[in-house]
Amino acid sequence: NAGVTQTPKFRILKIGQSMTLQCAQDMNHNYMYWYRQDPGMGLKLIYYSVGAGITDKGEVPNGYNVSRSTTEDFPLRLELAAPSQTSVYFCASTRTRDSYQPQHFGDGTRLSIL
Amino acid sequence: EDQVTQSPEALRLQEGESSSLNCSYTVSGLRGLFWYRQDPGKGPEFLFTLYSAGEEKEKERLKATLTKKESFLHITAPKPEDSATYLCAAPRYSGAGSYQLTFGKGTKLSVIP
Repeated sequence: NAGVTQTPKFRILKIGQSMTLQCAQDMNHNYMYWYRQDPGMGLKLIYYSVGAGITDKGEVPNGYNVSRSTTEDFPLRLELAAPSQTSVYFCASTRTRDSYQPQHFGDGTRLSIL
Repeated sequence: EDQVTQSPEALRLQEGESSSLNCSYTVSGLRGLFWYRQDPGKGPEFLFTLYSAGEEKEKERLKATLTKKESFLHITAPKPEDSATYLCAAPRYSGAGSYQLTFGKGTKLSVIP
């Protein structure tokens, strides 16, 4: 029972490089989310998706892009990496948009931009 | 502005020493409140959903309660394996029938043998 799987677990990038953080879930959840977690700060929502082909911006979307071509996958793209994007990135999913449905999280990707 | 504030930021307890963690919120029209546990190097793990003021939920040594302004996570006779960061989150309406979670910064709990 994999749940939410994120790859890679760790990555170091140079300033200006690009990369895609992968997220896959096997629970047939329609709603998927990307967060970043900085030391001493709460999780901040970057982008979310309510289903295949539908995405929307969260609280801190600048510098990121997303796509959702399937129910299972929700990749996060960094086009021109900047030191401010050094963070831990978490992907989450939930079955419905009901506010009482808990989100289920992956174990994160730890990204350093040098 | 919707806010979720957790206190204390860090808490050290001796094994068996009971205590409480606090989560206060200013989200209007609260529709539920969540507690998560996060271990180092891991993602948040869901613990409880509280639906309305007055509700209580229990799981092993943990009990979560909710009032109209705050929630408490009571830890009874904690063990070292309860050491983790505990996160509180409240959903806020973001339009088109969707909700986004506002997270607190967490309380880092250390239980000393």
